[in-house]
Amino acid sequence: GQQLNQSPQSMFIQEGEDVSMNCTSSSIFNTWLWYKQDPGEGPVLLIALYKAGELTSNGRLTAQFGITRKDSFLNISASIPSDVGIYFCAGPRIQGAQKLVFGQGTRLTINP
Amino acid sequence: DAMVIQNPRYQVTQFGKPVTLSCSQTLNHNVMYWYQQKSSQAPKLLFHYYDKDFNNEADTPDNFQSRRPNTSFCFLDIRSPGLGDAAMYLCATSPGDQETQYFGPGTRLLVL
Repeated sequence: GQQLNQSPQSMFIQEGEDVSMNCTSSSIFNTWLWYKQDPGEGPVLLIALYKAGELTSNGRLTAQFGITRKDSFLNISASIPSDVGIYFCAGPRIQGAQKLVFGQGTRLTINP
Repeated sequence: DAMVIQNPRYQVTQFGKPVTLSCSQTLNHNVMYWYQQKSSQAPKLLFHYYDKDFNNEADTPDNFQSRRPNTSFCFLDIRSPGLGDAAMYLCATSPGDQETQYFGPGTRLLVL
């Protein structure tokens, strides 16, 4: 079945550093979604990508839909303490099926 | 603001005592989902409704049931909670014509 592999599983960085994480699959995805989850809260949608090669920014966040449609990456520039959390990538299991498959998550920890 | 609301945010129940978790939405979305999330793992889909059509995941235990009396509300019923059912329960919605899902803040269930 479809699987999403996120890396790294965890990151420990200093405040102010840039962050890069990615999501890969052996299957083609037509949509890539990036979510952030704070402790004790639900995932919040950060960026949605709908087209191969698309590069989209949301403030200090930038995400790209890989040209092969089998990967996506998320970059965070100049990290701040509130960036701490778990970042999940997700994509539709089957086109139009209204169900998502999630990556395992990347846990980001920031040292002030 | 349009949103997904979950009540309560924290629920404590006793082993075997039925419990109901609530979700409401002001987004007027066709699709509503219930997920279970255990510590540091990705959300796991239990079931979803497309309008009134109920779709159960094959590995969702019979102990979990759901009701959607109208577009705005959806309930998760756990008939006989076991210790292993302690988790965060997330409700999400989707317009139905795209794969993007919007999550509520979650209800953390503790089973004593």
